[in-house]
Amino acid sequence: GAGVSQSPRYKVAKRGQDVALRCDPISGHVSLFWYQQALGQGPEFLTYFQNEAQLDKSGLPSDRFFAERPEGSVSTLKIQRTQQEDSAVYLCASSLFGDRGRSGTQYFGPGTRLTVL
Amino acid sequence: SQQGEEDPQALSIQEGENATMNCSYKTSINNLQWYRQNSGRGLVHLILIRSNEREKHSGRLRVTLDTSKKSSSLLITASRAADTASYFCATDVGRLVFGKGTKLTVNP
Repeated sequence: GAGVSQSPRYKVAKRGQDVALRCDPISGHVSLFWYQQALGQGPEFLTYFQNEAQLDKSGLPSDRFFAERPEGSVSTLKIQRTQQEDSAVYLCASSLFGDRGRSGTQYFGPGTRLTVL
Repeated sequence: SQQGEEDPQALSIQEGENATMNCSYKTSINNLQWYRQNSGRGLVHLILIRSNEREKHSGRLRVTLDTSKKSSSLLITASRAADTASYFCATDVGRLVFGKGTKLTVNP
């Protein structure tokens, strides 16, 4: 079946613009995660959804970052008033179960590379 | 902040040789996972080892976990040029916390 897909794959924004990044998880997957990966670094956790509920948003770097998953499937990560330090690859991952105690295997999308000029 | 620390940061070997990467972490974990990332691509899950397991195999991969030392190692045997990628360990503390990765180059 289809894996996790993300769009757009590349986004260039001028500083101050708002951007919206989309994630289509694997059908039926309960858990959805967003990560931010800076160049040469490992992914850093941003936020976690179990179905439509956002159970953990402790990794969001500022209140300019907002994520939603209104129907428990597709998710959107929105960044308002983008800054140069927001430039990174944004990765989405989904996993089958919603057990917060054990993340289990996560399936990653290809990422959206955001460049803020 | 990142918990895992992979060692070495970069590794270059010849095809057919074995590659060993190490990961150290700081807190108690539910499990530890290893992922591979090819240049410009998403991460691919390789193997998961639970906190009560000490060793696990999958094909040419062998993972060990020592919870007393808070460390893990990933061994890739008989490496191939296609194994060239960055390898990340990720500790499961209710969410995944990744290290900075080891960049492996396998020369043909």
